[in-house]
Amino acid sequence: GAVVSQHPSRVICKSGTSVKIECRSLDFQATTMFWYRQFPKQSLMLMATSNEGSKATYEQGVEKDKFLINHASLTLSTLTVTSAHPEDSSFYICSARDRLSPLHFGNGTRLTVT
Amino acid sequence: QQQVKQSPQSLIVQKGGISIINCAYENTAFDYFPWYQQFPGKGPALLIAIRPDVSEKKEGRFTISFNKSAKQFSLHIMDSQPGDSATYFCAASKNTGGFKTIFGAGTRLFVKA
Repeated sequence: GAVVSQHPSRVICKSGTSVKIECRSLDFQATTMFWYRQFPKQSLMLMATSNEGSKATYEQGVEKDKFLINHASLTLSTLTVTSAHPEDSSFYICSARDRLSPLHFGNGTRLTVT
Repeated sequence: QQQVKQSPQSLIVQKGGISIINCAYENTAFDYFPWYQQFPGKGPALLIAIRPDVSEKKEGRFTISFNKSAKQFSLHIMDSQPGDSATYFCAASKNTGGFKTIFGAGTRLFVKA
């Protein structure tokens, strides 16, 4: 089946620093990738949609300058949390699909900002 | 119009019993309805999915029932096992407009041994 790899699985950073999370589709070309944020015991909140080679589309209320998304190739998208603060601590999950496939998720990144 | 309502919020089932989770949607443009299973600290994994031209789909112990006129669909887990204990999300999407997937709030299932 389709595999989406997300790295790192856990990261701890200091307040004010930036953190980059990578999302790779390993065995298919992902025309579209999505980034979600999940708070404990809650559903997935879509942050942004990215299509290869174009700017990401952010959901209402998500700061594009805070959460930088780059979809440089058909197999790689990155999310950079800039100037992270404790309130950015969360579980971030990417997902990917091509035109024919269902949505496949990475294993998530637990971000802790101290 | 974009919401997917899921119930119950949590569910406790005896081993060997049937677990039933229900979802309802509003947007008739949705044309793909997947269910995802998520274990703590992991990303969701696709469990089973259905399209609106089919009323039921079965894969092993998992069955989706789909009622297009009522705009409802449900997941049945037969012979529930402790290993099925997880959070289950229903979802809906349409294969146009960026393929955005809308998720239900999730159901935390606990199967007692």
